[in-house]
Amino acid sequence: DTAVSQTPKYLVTQMGNDKSIKCEQNLGHDTMYWYKQDSKKFLKIMFSYNNKELIINETVPNRFSPKSPDKAHLNLHINSLELGDSAVYFCASSQDWQSYEQYFGPGTRLTVT
Amino acid sequence: GQNIDQPTEMTATEGAIVQINCTYQTSGFNGLFWYQQHAGEAPTFLSYNVLDGLEEKGRFSSFLSRSKGYSYLLLKELQMKDSASYLCAVRPPFSGGYNKLIFGAGTRLAVHP
Repeated sequence: DTAVSQTPKYLVTQMGNDKSIKCEQNLGHDTMYWYKQDSKKFLKIMFSYNNKELIINETVPNRFSPKSPDKAHLNLHINSLELGDSAVYFCASSQDWQSYEQYFGPGTRLTVT
Repeated sequence: GQNIDQPTEMTATEGAIVQINCTYQTSGFNGLFWYQQHAGEAPTFLSYNVLDGLEEKGRFSSFLSRSKGYSYLLLKELQMKDSASYLCAVRPPFSGGYNKLIFGAGTRLAVHP
């Protein structure tokens, strides 16, 4: 059984397009996260939701908009895609906002051409 | 701010022991984490240290010295499957419902026969 799943796994699109990445966790966790891992392999937090409420919003362009319809899902919508958005995007979850262990999804490799 | 340093690459021989160091300068501290990431896969949690000393978990151990801003991950009886990137991450103090991990760039370990 997949704990944290993301779709799609690969996404190739052109500059200026709008795309979404979906994430679901079946662990019963309260807290979910979006991370971006760039070509230099730095993993950086973008957003975090706890029970559908936004609790972390790093310095991310407002072209990125997360949405959490329920605590098992956290989606990421990106408007007007740019070349610099090319990266691997990881979703993660933890039991609650204080838990030290985060469980990561398989990642979505986004390529903007 | 936060600054986390770890070596970019290391090589080791199967069956040997390797130590991966991590130094950090942070404006606050609430735990240090090690994650393993195989190429093209999601990071997986290895260890968590919040107090000084050594935490042992099977073949893997993690050490923390808060006064020195220093941690290491020790891998014993290396196996080929241990070839992966090892990410050091620091958690700042909780603030307003925050649980944010700041990751280093990772150390790519290659294990040779």
